[in-house]
Amino acid sequence: KQEVTQIPAALSVPEGENLVLNCSFTDSAIYNLQWFRQDPGKGLTSLLLIQSSQREQTSGRLNASLDKSSGRSTLYIAASQPGDSATYLCAVITGRRALTFGSGTRLQVQP
Amino acid sequence: KAGVTQTPRYLIKTRGQQVTLSCSPISGHRSVSWYQQTPGQGLQFLFEYFSETQRNKGNFPGRFSGRQFSNSRSEMNVSTLELGDSALYLCASYLAEAYNEQFFGPGTRLTVL
Repeated sequence: KQEVTQIPAALSVPEGENLVLNCSFTDSAIYNLQWFRQDPGKGLTSLLLIQSSQREQTSGRLNASLDKSSGRSTLYIAASQPGDSATYLCAVITGRRALTFGSGTRLQVQP
Repeated sequence: KAGVTQTPRYLIKTRGQQVTLSCSPISGHRSVSWYQQTPGQGLQFLFEYFSETQRNKGNFPGRFSGRQFSNSRSEMNVSTLELGDSALYLCASYLAEAYNEQFFGPGTRLTVL
């Protein structure tokens, strides 16, 4: 059974810092990995999708890497801003089944 | 392009009642999945629909059911509500396969009293 772990569970940083969020998964036979952002009480916003054959994806200040063999992904946020404050979730697809989510990293960027 | 829409956004029900939630996917998307999010269990998969057929089902009791219409809109129904059914219910829309990029709606917040 696929399990996804995200570390740290919570993170508080001053504005302007670069930061790294970690995601690990137990079954390396994934189709892809997707990073989401969730604001309190809201739905999920897709940030980046990395196919299993890719090593990384970039969108603006966000960069996500994938090391399938070791079961790890990182989300790098450059020059953090208060508007980046949210919960960040990673999710993987194994086989043709549903997304399996981690429990998220709650990020607070202090102005 | 319009995003995923879910109605209603908020619902308050009492134990024993039933509820129906609706999800309209992004135009052109043929698949819809439903997830339940609670503080204790996180995000859990309920079921997936493609072309009006349930393709996958999560580990939830039979009180949870769903369907998909020919226009890809989907509904989920929960009968005999329990306090533990209080949650944010999210639907995801994607082209066809679960490994396509998934786009989520704003969710329906269900409170069971």
